[in-house]
Formats: sequence, structure tokens, C-alpha cells
Amino acid sequence: AQSVTQPDIHITVSEGASLELRCNYSYGATPYLFWYVQSPGQGLQLLLKYFSGDTLVQGIKGFEAEFKRSQSSFNLRKPSVHWSDAAEYFCAVGAQDAGKSTFGDGTTLTVKP
Amino acid sequence: KAGVTQTPRYLIKTRGQQVTLSCSPISGHRSVSWYQQTPGQGLQFLFEYFSETQRNKGNFPGRFSGRQFSNSRSEMNVSTLELGDSALYLCASSLGPRQLYNSPLHFGNGTRLTVT
Repeated sequence: AQSVTQPDIHITVSEGASLELRCNYSYGATPYLFWYVQSPGQGLQLLLKYFSGDTLVQGIKGFEAEFKRSQSSFNLRKPSVHWSDAAEYFCAVGAQDAGKSTFGDGTTLTVKP
Repeated sequence: KAGVTQTPRYLIKTRGQQVTLSCSPISGHRSVSWYQQTPGQGLQFLFEYFSETQRNKGNFPGRFSGRQFSNSRSEMNVSTLELGDSALYLCASSLGPRQLYNSPLHFGNGTRLTVT
């Protein structure tokens, strides 16, 4: 069965600093990978997705993520964080045999002024 | 195009009661899935419906049920509410069952259920 681990429950960065959120997955075949963001009181919004091809994918709001098969990772990055990026971030893996996506526990991002 | 709409936004119920939540998917999306979100358990998959049929089910007791109508709108029902059912219930839509794992999910803003 597939699984997703987000090792960091909470991360605090200063506005303007770079950001990296970690995601490790477990799945025997090629995974479909997603990052979602959830602002307080809202549903989840897709930031970016990886299916195949170029291992560096670009998303909305200046985010990017890199798929590393050898490390089973799909880390999310942003070069310069804005205060509006404060939210909870979820990594998800889609598995064909399960017929659904499995979500990590999320990482809460706090942005310091 | 309108997004996923969930009603109501907030509900307060007492233990033992039952509750029905509603979800209208994005126009053209035929698959609707439901998730429970709590601080302790994170996002937990409840079930998925396509063409009025439940196609996938998570590990929840039988008190949790759902259905989908011919217009793809979906409802979920929780009977005999327990305090632990307090959560944000999220509905997500996608194009179809084969897209549930390889397509992005489009989420509504959720229904916040509080059980007292």
C-alpha cells in the first residue's frame, strides 16, 4: 500500500527567506504526486503535480517541486516566502491499484515578518 | 466555472443525533469523494462515488454512509453521532473514477461539524 510521510509538522521561516517542505512516499510503481495548500477555514487547493517527464515541476504561486526517485522524495520549494504563504501544506500520492490518493499529515508553515 | 460547493458550512449537533452533509461538484465532474479532517488524524478518506455507485471506501464504521444522485451531487450521512465525529468534512470532485488517483482533486471549503 502507498504511504506519504511529511517529516516536519511545523516550520517557521522569515518573510523573504527560502522554503523547503519535505515529502517522502512509499509506492512500488511510478507514483502520481501532488502538493496541495490549505488556508485556514478553506478546502485544499492544488499547487502542482508530477506524473512523468521532467523531474522539476513548476506550480502556482511561485512554488516548485523536485521528484527524486532514488530518494522517494518530492520536496516542495519556494525561493522567497511571502506572508500570504502561511498555511498548511499537504503532499499526496496517487496509486492506481488503490484507486485514490493518499495524503500526508501536513506541514504547517508560519511566516515571521 | 463554479467550484465545489458544500452546505452547510457549520453544524452543531448533539451526541446520538444524525446529520446529512451536501456536496455539489464542479460541472462535468462525475466523481465525488469525501474526506474527514481532524487535528489528530489528518485527512482520512471516507468514500468515493461515481455514477451513483460507491467505488471505494475508507476504514470508517457503518454509521458513515453516502450517496450520489443522477446529477452527480452527493450527500453523506452520519448516524448516531459521537464526540469523535467532530471534524471538518471535505468533499472533492474529479472527472471520473480513473482520474481519482492521477488527476488533481478539486475541494470544497468543507463543513465544520461540532458534536456536543
